[in-house]
Amino acid sequence: RKEVEQDPGPFNVPEGATVAFNCTYSNSASQSFFWYRQDCRKEPKLLMSVYSSGNEDGRFTAQLNRASQYISLLIRDSKLSDSATYLCVVNPLSGGYNKLIFGAGTRLAVHP
Amino acid sequence: NAGVTQTPKFQVLKTGQSMTLQCAQDMNHNSMYWYRQDPGMGLRLIYYSASEGTTDKGEVPNGYNVSRLNKREFSLRLESAAPSQTSVYFCASSDQQGSVLWGTEAFFGQGTRLTVV
Repeated sequence: RKEVEQDPGPFNVPEGATVAFNCTYSNSASQSFFWYRQDCRKEPKLLMSVYSSGNEDGRFTAQLNRASQYISLLIRDSKLSDSATYLCVVNPLSGGYNKLIFGAGTRLAVHP
Repeated sequence: NAGVTQTPKFQVLKTGQSMTLQCAQDMNHNSMYWYRQDPGMGLRLIYYSASEGTTDKGEVPNGYNVSRLNKREFSLRLESAAPSQTSVYFCASSDQQGSVLWGTEAFFGQGTRLTVV
């Protein structure tokens, strides 16, 4: 079983739609969680961290469910510019140090 | 404002050739990583270095070696390239702030597109 699993998609949605991605992780001791965004043929970049209480950044909301070991990302009012691959990232903190484990990514395509 | 710099950006190797991918960061980060990205597989960790002087294997270390030359530089070496090592390679760095219980943002280089024929 992969340490971090995501639905690969693609999710094809019209502009203005609300779309949600889920991600599950296997290491129950994992402490920190992130969503990264990757545009085609570019490097990944941090979209937002995921906090235990859930957090929101504009149109983006991230939530963490430790009991079920999953993380979610909700995008409201989708824009064409949101088209990208969204990577779920878990830091299992091996030996007390950062060790970032990436999911395979969920591809989002927003169309007019 | 360089961040993480990887060289080269593109490379074609013949099977059996060796090469070293270079990575340098100017953010004074402790942790550095090498990932490979293949279609449908996401980023897989090859090796990481939690701090200067230490390196550890990741998920897919076979066929690779690394050197953490100093705090800034972390190189990845392919001793005898194989077609299975055709991939996009990313170097990244991050730091720990405050409690080790909270990870911090990782910054990536632009990637190296390697083809082994």
